[in-house]
Amino acid sequence: DGGITQSPKYLFRKEGQNVTLSCEQNLNHDAMYWYRQDPGQGLRLIYYSQIVNDFQKGDIAEGYSVSREKKESFPLTVTSAQKNPTAFYLCASGQGTYEQYFGPGTRLTVT
Amino acid sequence: EDQVTQSPEALRLQEGESSSLNCSYTVSGLRGLFWYRQDPGKGPEFLFTLYSAGEEKEKERLKATLTKKESFLHITAPKPEDSATYLCAVQGAGNNRKLIWGLGTSLAVNP
Repeated sequence: DGGITQSPKYLFRKEGQNVTLSCEQNLNHDAMYWYRQDPGQGLRLIYYSQIVNDFQKGDIAEGYSVSREKKESFPLTVTSAQKNPTAFYLCASGQGTYEQYFGPGTRLTVT
Repeated sequence: EDQVTQSPEALRLQEGESSSLNCSYTVSGLRGLFWYRQDPGKGPEFLFTLYSAGEEKEKERLKATLTKKESFLHITAPKPEDSATYLCAVQGAGNNRKLIWGLGTSLAVNP
């Protein structure tokens, strides 16, 4: 059963703590993406990776970090430097014809 | 600058009342235009990709069309389960696989 999994669905952290969001895909896609979605702002690209061991900053990379050690995995770390980390985080993957397929999302709340 | 504008922001229909959602875009060298459906608290679900003006695609009660400046998502005889936010995105020649996203149209279909 192919798809993208994100875990956990809900995540709660205290201010000042780093937190890592998981994203795994078994679609054999080369490219993977991380987005942040806030009410009224649409999808904003954080980081993307087109190939293993390579990634690029998106439009709002400050306060985030990623790694791409395996084709299937693209974890996102939200660091304490991110000023407004509370949001809905979406991971996606894609291949070839550019459409992206999304996971179910992780809702992060930082207090 | 590449840009996507969706209208209306919100639409309320009676069951069976057909209508259309609009996605206007400005992009250098359109590579593809994508429609997604998003239910509350979930990741976007891919619906269609359109590549060139004049192209049309259909799925159940949905039909997507594309011109050189805009795309329409026509909903024929909608049902309450069609209620969702519909997102539009474009990929241009210079965007390096990055998608430019609209803010979406929130559709509510009343029984």
